[in-house]
Amino acid sequence: GESVGLHLPTLSVQEGDNSIINCAYSNSASDYFIWYKQESGKGPQFIIDIRSNMDKRQGQRVTVLLNKTVKHLSLQIAATQPGDSAVYFCAETVLGGYNKLIFGAGTRLAVHP
Amino acid sequence: DAGITQSPRHKVTETGTPVTLRCHQTENHRYMYWYRQDPGHGLRLIHYSYGVKDTDKGEVSDGYSVSRSKTEDFLLTLESATSSQTSVYFCAISEGRGRPDTQYFGPGTRLTVL
Repeated sequence: GESVGLHLPTLSVQEGDNSIINCAYSNSASDYFIWYKQESGKGPQFIIDIRSNMDKRQGQRVTVLLNKTVKHLSLQIAATQPGDSAVYFCAETVLGGYNKLIFGAGTRLAVHP
Repeated sequence: DAGITQSPRHKVTETGTPVTLRCHQTENHRYMYWYRQDPGHGLRLIHYSYGVKDTDKGEVSDGYSVSRSKTEDFLLTLESATSSQTSVYFCAISEGRGRPDTQYFGPGTRLTVL
């Protein structure tokens, strides 16, 4: 199995509930943010992104909220399903120049039936 | 996985042996990246490439070298593997045009150095 999930904070939710995964980012100059989902044994998968000129962006069942004042990012998943069980990473970067992503440590989402 | 393959997917090797990991993409993207993922450290950039024969170091490049002779292939070499290089290695690609430039990841290679 995937060892990356050891010692990660875990969010446990019931199937059908909404999930909120939080991320505190480090660089106040960061202006582009991405959420990735990583299932066991697989590579990170792009979910949704947001630029710093926005404070909310919605996708299919997912919403990302950005609070630049406190350097906080959140991912909301509506009607959480068992297939949402994974480790979720936020990543930040400063646009311009080479695209260096700084990744957070990740949060494990466990969905229970 | 966005037209990205990595080979091998699993490898066990001994300390001191050379190891080469391959990343192959079918997207014709300009940028390619190698990351390692370890418990407690998340994803860390080893090297990246911004074109054929154009590469640069990331934050954890010591002990690793890379080469890119074709747009579609990016090789990561451990000249003399050490146990500290036991990790899961991910390749990523991005278009490199305009901003933002989202990175897409391959399936990973699990490397164990005994």
